[in-house]
Amino acid sequence: GAVVSQHPSRVICKSGTSVKIECRSLDFQATTMFWYRQFPKQSLMLMATSNEGSKATYEQGVEKDKFLINHASLTLSTLTVTSAHPEDSSFYICSAITGGPVSTFGSGTRLTVV
Amino acid sequence: GQNIDQPTEMTATEGAIVQINCTYQTSGFNGLFWYQQHAGEAPTFLSYNVLDGLEEKGRFSSFLSRSKGYSYLLLKELQMKDSASYLCAVSSYNTNAGKSTFGDGTTLTVKP
Repeated sequence: GAVVSQHPSRVICKSGTSVKIECRSLDFQATTMFWYRQFPKQSLMLMATSNEGSKATYEQGVEKDKFLINHASLTLSTLTVTSAHPEDSSFYICSAITGGPVSTFGSGTRLTVV
Repeated sequence: GQNIDQPTEMTATEGAIVQINCTYQTSGFNGLFWYQQHAGEAPTFLSYNVLDGLEEKGRFSSFLSRSKGYSYLLLKELQMKDSASYLCAVSSYNTNAGKSTFGDGTTLTVKP
C-alpha cells in the first residue's frame, strides 16, 4: 500500500530557532499534501494544503510566514517552523492523497520547543 | 463550516460490541471517514462511506445516513488493542479535494 514517510519523528529545539519537517511519498506521486497540528487530547487541525509547484494554501489563523511550506517535487513537502516558541510545541502530521478521497498519514513529528 | 460531534469517551469490555456515533453538519457532503489513532501515533484509516448503508470490514463496520447527518463505527469482539482514539472526519465538495475536517475524537477504553 501507499506509504508516507515523515521525519524526524521527534525533535527538541531551542526557542527562536527553526525546525524543518519532511514528508515524503515513497511509492507514489503526491501533487497535494496536507499539514495538520494536534495538541494533546485534541483533534487534528488542518494548517495548510501543500500543492506541488505552487504556493501552499493556509487555513485561517495560520501564519504563513511562521510555518513555511515547500512542495518542490511530486514526492516531497517540507514544513519549516521558523522562530519556534514553546507554544509551537505540538504533534505535526502530514498526509497525502493516494487515490480517490482517501489520504495516507505520515507517522508524525513530536516537536518540543524549550 | 462543518460541525462534527462525537462522544468524548467510551468504555467497553473485552469481547463485547461497541458503537461510536458521529453526527455532522456540512454542505456539499463528499464522504465520511473513520480513523483509529493510538496515543503518540498518527491516525490510521479504517473506513470511508459516501453512500447510505453499512460497510463491513472484518471486526469493524461503518454506517452512514446522509439524510440524518449521522454515522457510526461498530467494533465487534473487542480486543485490548482496540483501546485508542477514534476520529470521525468529513470531506466536503466545498473544500479542496481530499481535505477533511476532523471531529474531536472518541477515546475508547477496553477493559478486561
